[in-house]
Amino acid sequence: DGGITQSPKYLFRKEGQNVTLSCEQNLNHDAMYWYRQDPGQGLRLIYYSQIVNDFQKGDIAEGYSVSREKKESFPLTVTSAQKNPTAFYLCASGGAGTGELFFGEGSRLTVL
Amino acid sequence: GQQLNQSPQSMFIQEGEDVSMNCTSSSIFNTWLWYKQEPGEGPVLLIALYKAGELTSNGRLTAQFGITRKDSFLNISASIPSDVGIYFCAGQYSGAGSYQLTFGKGTKLSVIP
Repeated sequence: DGGITQSPKYLFRKEGQNVTLSCEQNLNHDAMYWYRQDPGQGLRLIYYSQIVNDFQKGDIAEGYSVSREKKESFPLTVTSAQKNPTAFYLCASGGAGTGELFFGEGSRLTVL
Repeated sequence: GQQLNQSPQSMFIQEGEDVSMNCTSSSIFNTWLWYKQEPGEGPVLLIALYKAGELTSNGRLTAQFGITRKDSFLNISASIPSDVGIYFCAGQYSGAGSYQLTFGKGTKLSVIP
């Protein structure tokens, strides 16, 4: 089945540790996105990539890093520089230039 | 970034009632979209609107792209328990190589059986 898969679904991390969230899609979409969701807030864009080997910062990129070495994959690293990393992270993909996005099921990160 | 004002923030309605929610922006958009998110899941696209004045339906859902391009509304008719979730509007302005979406903060819908 075509879709977008995020892992892990739940992740606990100690302060000062980097963690990497996985996002894989088999929809043949050019564009991929990472959003952060906090309770009562909308979705805030962290990073996005319109094409392999290229990505741009979104509105809240500080403390995060990404790579786009393959069309199917867009991992997000939450670094120790991110001051408040506990959140629900959503990955999405779509055709280049379209707002019609397909979202993964999300990864909930909790910093202990 | 651009701001979207989505209202109401939450609503409690009786099963069978109609629901209306809306989004307004200080900037114009080329595209308006409505997504629904159920607990613990990612959002799912409900309706996409591409032209000012456009009115589109998807089953019991109807959405409109405001004529000024600065607003959109979503109506749900005859609500049922599975309509529960958070509804997000999103606007997209495609220009100068930018295709980013701006999301509203969501309307949380609760349906009382």
